[in-house]
Amino acid sequence: GQNIDQPTEMTATEGAIVQINCTYQTSGFNGLFWYQQHAGEAPTFLSYNVLDGLEEKGRFSSFLSRSKGYSYLLLKELQMKDSASYLCAVRQYSGNTPLVFGKGTRLSVIA
Amino acid sequence: DADVTQTPRNRITKTGKRIMLECSQTKGHDRMYWYRQDPGLGLRLIYYSFDVKDINKGEISDGYSVSRQAQAKFSLSLESAIPNQTALYFCATSDPGTGAYEQYFGPGTRLTVT
Repeated sequence: GQNIDQPTEMTATEGAIVQINCTYQTSGFNGLFWYQQHAGEAPTFLSYNVLDGLEEKGRFSSFLSRSKGYSYLLLKELQMKDSASYLCAVRQYSGNTPLVFGKGTRLSVIA
Repeated sequence: DADVTQTPRNRITKTGKRIMLECSQTKGHDRMYWYRQDPGLGLRLIYYSFDVKDINKGEISDGYSVSRQAQAKFSLSLESAIPNQTALYFCATSDPGTGAYEQYFGPGTRLTVT
């Protein structure tokens, strides 16, 4: 089976830091992805982790611990435009196989 | 121009009608996917195709069929639409060649079945 869990909603203040967690239990693991999705729009790719550790990309960082089945997305210096849903997704098998998505975390950034 | 396009963008149809959603891409990717998104349920895979001759069922293929007419085109059909197929539908592509193989999504089709 497969299970990917993320909090349903989070609220944070403009300028602050927020961490969105994702835990997964899947048949296999070959990479974890984070996507951003604004309401009514297409998801857009943010980050990819396949090895343990932290990947930093500007204001966004993503961390992976394969032994714990755990990842987080860290957003720094929050801006109002960061209000969106954040989707955690796992590729279970090697090669270019489809992603399995969590239900997403809706982040609201308030002034 | 957008790399992945979907038509129509919005559609309202009646129960029992046949409807086709179309997806085209100019990215030159071999892999194409159809997902549906429902509030509280996230993105769920309906069908995917690794090339023109390869079609695979996803998690929720019942009630849907697909056609891969060319490398650039992947269509999703609802043979007899029902109200619980009301959802936001996304087409996606990915590149088999390099890197993370992340998926690129089209803008979505909002389908309402009454």
